[in-house]
Amino acid sequence: AQKITQTQPGMFVQEKEAVTLDCTYDTSDPSYGLFWYKQPSSGEMIFLIYQGSYDQQNATEGRYSLNFQKARKSANLVISASQLGDSAMYFCAMRLPFGGYNKLIFGAGTRLAVHP
Amino acid sequence: SAVISQKPSRDICQRGTSLTIQCQVDSQVTMMFWYRQQPGQSLTLIATANQGSEATYESGFVIDKFPISRPNLTFSTLTVSNMSPEDSSIYLCSVLDGPYGYTFGSGTRLTVV
Repeated sequence: AQKITQTQPGMFVQEKEAVTLDCTYDTSDPSYGLFWYKQPSSGEMIFLIYQGSYDQQNATEGRYSLNFQKARKSANLVISASQLGDSAMYFCAMRLPFGGYNKLIFGAGTRLAVHP
Repeated sequence: SAVISQKPSRDICQRGTSLTIQCQVDSQVTMMFWYRQQPGQSLTLIATANQGSEATYESGFVIDKFPISRPNLTFSTLTVSNMSPEDSSIYLCSVLDGPYGYTFGSGTRLTVV
């Protein structure tokens, strides 16, 4: 079964510290994509970072990096130098291009609170 | 990337009525998706809207309850029919925007009373 699991309902971090949000996935499709989105209280979905299943290197986007461990089927998001504005819900998602017709399936999400 | 205008941004509706949500995209896109996000929950895919054909619904969602139209490559509507308080959610449209990216509308916060 194709599934995304986020086991941390809530996390907190001190401002300027780094934090890792966990994500594991399950699929038998060799071609897939992994995404992280941020959802602030306003409800919009903000794209953070993407990792393709065939990418050799871990993705990075500014303060965001993705720790991709394919054998373990994990795609953890690392946020460095946390800021108060990082407080939000974070969702891991997987794209299933072929058998999944490009659908995105989402994990349950992790609520991050950044403390001053 | 594509820009999506989703309307209305929020609404309060009486039970038993219907609400139609619109998404307008500033460019032609092949695939549009509709999601529901119940309070405190993650996003659940309702259906994939295909231009010129019937929408493809996910398990647990039916066309009579969530009829979808996709008259062209830049526009789609989702109707939430015969609403009950359990339909109170955020509804979001999304488009596949290039080979990797998905763009989301700003969402419709629906409250059914």
